[in-house]
Amino acid sequence: SYVLTQPPSVSVAPGQTARITCGGNNIGSKSVHWYQQKPGQAPVLVVYDDSDRPSGIPERFSGSNSGNTATLTISRVEAGDEADYYCQVWDSSSEVFGTGTKVTVL
Amino acid sequence: EVQLVESGGGLVQPGGSLRLSCAASGFTFSSYWMSWVRQAPGKGLEWVANIKQDGSEKYYVDSVKGRFTISRDNAKNSLYLQMNSLRAEDTAVYYCARVGRSVYDAFDIWGQGTMVTVSS
Repeated sequence: SYVLTQPPSVSVAPGQTARITCGGNNIGSKSVHWYQQKPGQAPVLVVYDDSDRPSGIPERFSGSNSGNTATLTISRVEAGDEADYYCQVWDSSSEVFGTGTKVTVL
Repeated sequence: EVQLVESGGGLVQPGGSLRLSCAASGFTFSSYWMSWVRQAPGKGLEWVANIKQDGSEKYYVDSVKGRFTISRDNAKNSLYLQMNSLRAEDTAVYYCARVGRSVYDAFDIWGQGTMVTVSS
């Protein structure tokens, strides 16, 4: 089965840039989606189809995807961005979620 | 307002059954793939099942095949998950999610979740 690997944690100071990677075999050939989940809340879609943003999501959230790595970038990080982030793809008749990354704002 | 509201969770003994429901509003339910996603306490997201707009295609994670059944009633704008032979490892918050017009689309709308606890 397809596996998506994310770093368990990323720490970043306010105003700096956070980059969250999602590794998978030839992931660049798939559409990658990213979700933000805050404690006790349902996930929220922040980036879809590698690099598109749903309405209402700040431009500070961006995505890229190439080769074996997809990346979610959060620019000018704010305290409110502290959350768990998950990548996700559809592969071989299954939805696959990444292992999740906890972003801590220092 | 686009909304998904789950119900039906609760405490059930191992080997028991439970039926989850998800009421959709604010969009044309019959135009979208729908899904169930779960999250065990303190763990990550795990996809459970998808169903096509007309119910003609269904997909499941291996761990629930033969035990869980996803279904929908487009006339009632409702999604269901029938869960049989429940195990302790099925304990989780179960989310209903809208997938999109294609199975490749993202989960763009999520419900608030319903808790299922499997314990004696």
